[in-house]
Amino acid sequence: NAGVTQTPKFQVLKTGQSMTLQCAQDMNHEYMSWYRQDPGMGLRLIHYSVGAGITDQGEVPNGYNVSRSTTEDFPLRLLSAAPSQTSVYFCASSPLAGSGGVETQYFGPGTRLLVL
Amino acid sequence: GEDVEQSLFLSVREGDSSVINCTYTDSSSTYLYWYKQEPGAGLQLLTYIFSNMDMKQDQRLTVLLNKKDKHLSLRIADTQTGDSAIYFCAEGGFDSSYKLIFGSGTRLLVRP
Repeated sequence: NAGVTQTPKFQVLKTGQSMTLQCAQDMNHEYMSWYRQDPGMGLRLIHYSVGAGITDQGEVPNGYNVSRSTTEDFPLRLLSAAPSQTSVYFCASSPLAGSGGVETQYFGPGTRLLVL
Repeated sequence: GEDVEQSLFLSVREGDSSVINCTYTDSSSTYLYWYKQEPGAGLQLLTYIFSNMDMKQDQRLTVLLNKKDKHLSLRIADTQTGDSAIYFCAEGGFDSSYKLIFGSGTRLLVRP
């Protein structure tokens, strides 16, 4: 198992450019999510998905789009990058917990994005 | 809104105990978590505690929960240099244990 993989590891964009951050997991997890991590702040949830074809907004969704066409992949799209989107982006996955249960989230290694 | 707060930095000597504190505001939180992040890596779940528990021990880790004061702590016994990392507190609800609210993280530095 590769776990959760993210590409690229590092990216520099100019303001207004678009790009897609890739995330894949090979653990057959239903739940996947995207977080951003900014200096001095904790991780903030951008979007999440509880299964193929189902996505929803997190705490900071503006400027980002997601789709979930397969269980394995959950790409994050920046349609028009802004300097405020400079951050480290983490993808995570987990099985869906049963009622009253809790499941470990597995995090990818992160993508460091710089928007000039 | 929901908020999770942590102190930014803690420095301890190798072999001493470390105590990392966290306060949260959402009284409906069902699960409280501690994650560890090493340099250049993603987050790794260390332990979690259900809100109906006061304490949980797992080898060198002890989690204490004061639900009345909404205060969570992580104690690391016999702290080692390999424990140097950023530690995140996070809270989650009953039906959304995977929709986590994170604190800003505490950087633990272990001095030889």
